[in-house]
Amino acid sequence: AQKVTQAQTEISVVEKEDVTLDCVYETRDTTYYLFWYKQPPSGELVFLIRRNSFDEQNEISGRYSWNFQKSTSSFNFTITASQVVDSAVYFCALSERNAGNMLTFGGGTRLMVKP
Amino acid sequence: ETGVTQTPRHLVMGMTNKKSLKCEQHLGHNAMYWYKQSAKKPLELMFVYNFKEQTENNSVPSRFSPECPNSSHLFLHLHTLQPEDSALYLCASSLQRRSSYNEQFFGPGTRLTVL
Repeated sequence: AQKVTQAQTEISVVEKEDVTLDCVYETRDTTYYLFWYKQPPSGELVFLIRRNSFDEQNEISGRYSWNFQKSTSSFNFTITASQVVDSAVYFCALSERNAGNMLTFGGGTRLMVKP
Repeated sequence: ETGVTQTPRHLVMGMTNKKSLKCEQHLGHNAMYWYKQSAKKPLELMFVYNFKEQTENNSVPSRFSPECPNSSHLFLHLHTLQPEDSALYLCASSLQRRSSYNEQFFGPGTRLTVL
């Protein structure tokens, strides 16, 4: 069975601070995929990144970076120099290759960036 | 915009009404999904369609009835709903291949209120 845990339900930071959103997953499959999505107040989930289980390279995209560590089953997301527009709910998700199209989401972390 | 549209964006209905939610994707994808997002629960997968065939029904009550007439359109027919069915209903689509898993793209959702 696959499971995703986002222990931080809500984080509040001041603009320009760095913030890390934690994601821990459980899976029995050796091949799986991890995702991060952003849900702004408008409601639409916006895809941010996909990572395959056999690719442990960390990734940086502008102010966003992701740290994938299989040893601790974690896929953490860091926003550098946060901005008010980063305020949203962020979801981590997992899909096992043997689970077909099934995507399991974590409970989400609400990030509030104050000016 | 992600290329996935949903109508209506907001819907208020009584428990005896019959209504339908519509989803359309313009991405050439071959899989479509319905999710339910309520305030106190994580995102719940409801239905999955691959190549217009329903491949997943995640123990959803029969008062929710999906329909996928072609690979671009997905409907969710609603009848005799309960107040606890009030939630944000999200549609998603993805391009499924045997050799890999691709990310899902979400629509803006329909905010449903059942009185």
